Parts: sequence; C-alpha cells; structure tokens
Amino acid sequence: DIQVTQSPSSLLASLGERVTITCQTSQSIRNNLNWYQQKPGQAPMLLIYYATSLQTGMPSRFSGQYSGRSFTLTITSLEPEDIANYFCLQHYSAPYTFGAGTKLELK
Amino acid sequence: EVQLQESGPGLVKPSQSLSLTCSVTGYSITSNYWGWIRKFPGNKMEWMGYINYSGSTRYNPSLESRISITRDTSKNQFFLQLNSVTTEDTATYYCARSTNYMDFDYWGQGVMVTVSS
Repeated sequence: DIQVTQSPSSLLASLGERVTITCQTSQSIRNNLNWYQQKPGQAPMLLIYYATSLQTGMPSRFSGQYSGRSFTLTITSLEPEDIANYFCLQHYSAPYTFGAGTKLELK
Repeated sequence: EVQLQESGPGLVKPSQSLSLTCSVTGYSITSNYWGWIRKFPGNKMEWMGYINYSGSTRYNPSLESRISITRDTSKNQFFLQLNSVTTEDTATYYCARSTNYMDFDYWGQGVMVTVSS
C-alpha cells in the first residue's frame, strides 16, 4: 500500500496568515492526489483534485502544488470559514490511502 | 446536485454484521463508481471498496474476507455489509462517488457506528 504522511497534525494560525499543509507519499503517484476540507458533522468537501486543480466553487485562496512525492495545500490568506480539518487522499493505486489529517485552528 | 446520505444502525454487537445504506439523489448509480470509506476514532481513514456502474466490485484487501457492497438500482441505493465486526470496526462510515474524471468528488456526511456489547 502507498503510505501518505501528512504534516502538521495540527496548526494554529491567525486570520490573514498564509497556511501550508503537506502530504508526502511513499512512492510516486504522479498527480493523483486530492485535498479535502471537513467541518464537524459535515461531509468532506473536495478542494483540490489532481494535486493542482481547484474544484469549482472553491475560493481561489486555496491552491495545490506538487513536486515528486511531496504535495502541498496552501491557503494564501486565512479566513474564519477556513477553520476545519484538512486531509489528502491518493487515488493513484488501490487500496487508496489517506493522510492523517490536519486540524487548523485560530491562534 | 449529487447528494449522498448514509443510514443504518448506530450500534452493532461484536461478531454480528454491520449493514449500511447510501441513498443517492441527483445522479444515477448506474453510472460511475460508488464507494465506502471509514474514519476511525483518532482520525485515521480507510478506503473500504466500491461498486461500479455495472455492479462490479473492488475491495480493500484488508477487508476482502468480510466485506460486501451491493446495490439496488431501482431505489438508487448501494449498501455496505461488513461481517464479523469487532470493536476495531467502530468508526464513522462515509459513502462517496468517483467518476472517470474525478475521484471521490462527492461524499455523504457520514454515519457513526459503534461496535459494543
């Protein structure tokens, strides 16, 4: 199975701050990684697909990049509604596997 | 818009079977792929398997001996059955859609299942 290591597990940030979350995979998955936002009691929402593509309707302050086996999700300027849990998912090879999640909180 | 909603018992006894339903609106399950994912206490997530547009299934090898995903196209629902559950199967269970162009794009809000005597 492909291992996905996500960091940090939790993050304190201020409004307006730039936030970066990273996932590293144990082998190449090309660009087959999605990023999700999840708020308590709600369905996960797709933010970024194929590593860099912003899902329709998601704010442009969210972006994704990758280089090799390292993938990053960036929020350019944190808004109050961005406080949530974020996780990544590799869909290159079954069994599909997930990062452990990042809990983003306000400082 | 595509909407998925999980339902099922919130409490299952050890050694019994866990059975959940995913009801889909806004899209036919005779197209694309429909899967189950679970999130354990502590937030680790696991892909469990899917059923596709033709009714074929694919499962996580770690669950293959005790999982079954089926569907009822007349009700636009698909189902998860997990046999011989233990307390380790306590989790929030999600259903989700995948297409040929985008994997896991729509999810349900999840249903919490506790395995306890």
